[in-house]
Amino acid sequence: AQKITQTQPGMFVQEKEAVTLDCTYDTSDPSYGLFWYKQPSSGEMIFLIYQGSYDQQNATEGRYSLNFQKARKSANLVISASQLGDSAMYFCAMREENSGYALNFGKGTSLLVTP
Amino acid sequence: IAGITQAPTSQILAAGRRMTLRCTQDMRHNAMYWYRQDLGLGLRLIHYSNTAGTTGKGEVPDGYSVSRANTDDFPLTLASAVPSQTSVYFCASSDEAGAYTDTQYFGPGTRLTVL
Repeated sequence: AQKITQTQPGMFVQEKEAVTLDCTYDTSDPSYGLFWYKQPSSGEMIFLIYQGSYDQQNATEGRYSLNFQKARKSANLVISASQLGDSAMYFCAMREENSGYALNFGKGTSLLVTP
Repeated sequence: IAGITQAPTSQILAAGRRMTLRCTQDMRHNAMYWYRQDLGLGLRLIHYSNTAGTTGKGEVPDGYSVSRANTDDFPLTLASAVPSQTSVYFCASSDEAGAYTDTQYFGPGTRLTVL
């Protein structure tokens, strides 16, 4: 069963607008971490933001914030004030306490920021 | 700050040949990982190492071997390459392998084509 679901294969947003990239997850483990990575066309995987299952507040890192809704098992990435350089693939990933060492990745969302 | 370096950047390899992908990190992280990224399948863990001297199998270990002689280096070897091993290979590292809160940082990747 897919543990991480990203339902938006592609998204468009205009420069300076905010955009939300969806991520839902499936786990019965009470302890887990949620991660977002950015993969630009150059190919590297860049860590953006982390949210722990016990964190009371939504994580924020500069223009990135994570809208964590635990009961709905969703961990949406919000990018505020989009920039052209934000155009990339974005991957949501999860690591459960009892599932070993791998990050479980979603299939990604391609974001295109237009002028 | 180099972080994680991988070599080569890309390689075309004849089937049946042996190949070693190199990975070096300068962050003194305890844990290191090898993933492969395939279209439609996302990133999948091949092998990992919790600390120097120890290794473990991930989700797709067949046809690959690793070693961890020291903290910094984690080479991945394909003993006899097959076309299904055509992929982009990412090396990653993290500070605490056993913690679900542990963030994994990725190298730039190696694009491998097996003909």
